[in-house]
Amino acid sequence: QVQLQESGPGLVKPSQTLSLTCTVSGGSISSGGYYWSWIRQHPGKGLEWIGYIYYSGSTYYNPSLKSRVTISVDTSKNQFSLKLSSVTAADTAVYYCAREDRGIAVAGVRGWFDPWGQGTLVTVSS
Amino acid sequence: QSVLTQPPSVSAAPGQKVTISCSGSSSNIGNNYVSWYQQLPGTAPKLLIYDNNKRPSGIPDRFSGSKSGTSATLGITGLQTGDEADYYCGTWDSSLSESWVFGGGTKLTVL
Repeated sequence: QVQLQESGPGLVKPSQTLSLTCTVSGGSISSGGYYWSWIRQHPGKGLEWIGYIYYSGSTYYNPSLKSRVTISVDTSKNQFSLKLSSVTAADTAVYYCAREDRGIAVAGVRGWFDPWGQGTLVTVSS
Repeated sequence: QSVLTQPPSVSAAPGQKVTISCSGSSSNIGNNYVSWYQQLPGTAPKLLIYDNNKRPSGIPDRFSGSKSGTSATLGITGLQTGDEADYYCGTWDSSLSESWVFGGGTKLTVL
């Protein structure tokens, strides 16, 4: 079955850029049919969706983070990546990558996240 | 402040039934499909319910989902101590700021 694994620095300095990579195994990003998302969870808090990318490279970001977020895909490595610029302490969180599945609907959006990576804690501190 | 509203906590005894509510609006739950996630302590969220009421393979039928209007509900019967976790609802929000949104989470304690 498909598995996702996040990797990247666990400590980032304020004002710098947070960079994470999600490696997908057990399936190919290039096969299409799925969106690949980043989601974060502040310590002791709920979930916040950051954005997604399709294998073609098309992206969509959470409007609240859009100005600072870039998500890219490397189909040759079966990976997708997150860059979050100008970070502050408020960006300290566990970052998850997840596969977003969509269903066809007559009306409304059908979608869900499955599976998820194990998550990686990123702390923003000098 | 989450777009979707869940009770912070619920509790029940082993073997009992519990429901967790998720309240939204016409721009999210009212017109889109809801999913539910279980997050056991120290682990990543796991899909529990999708398309309002469907269970992925491997999820026991003790877990159920429903939706009515702008609210959704997760039901768990035959509670087990292993069900102690945080539970999140999620859906697409079609307002001016379109995005996936989640509830603030509900901590289930099995007494």
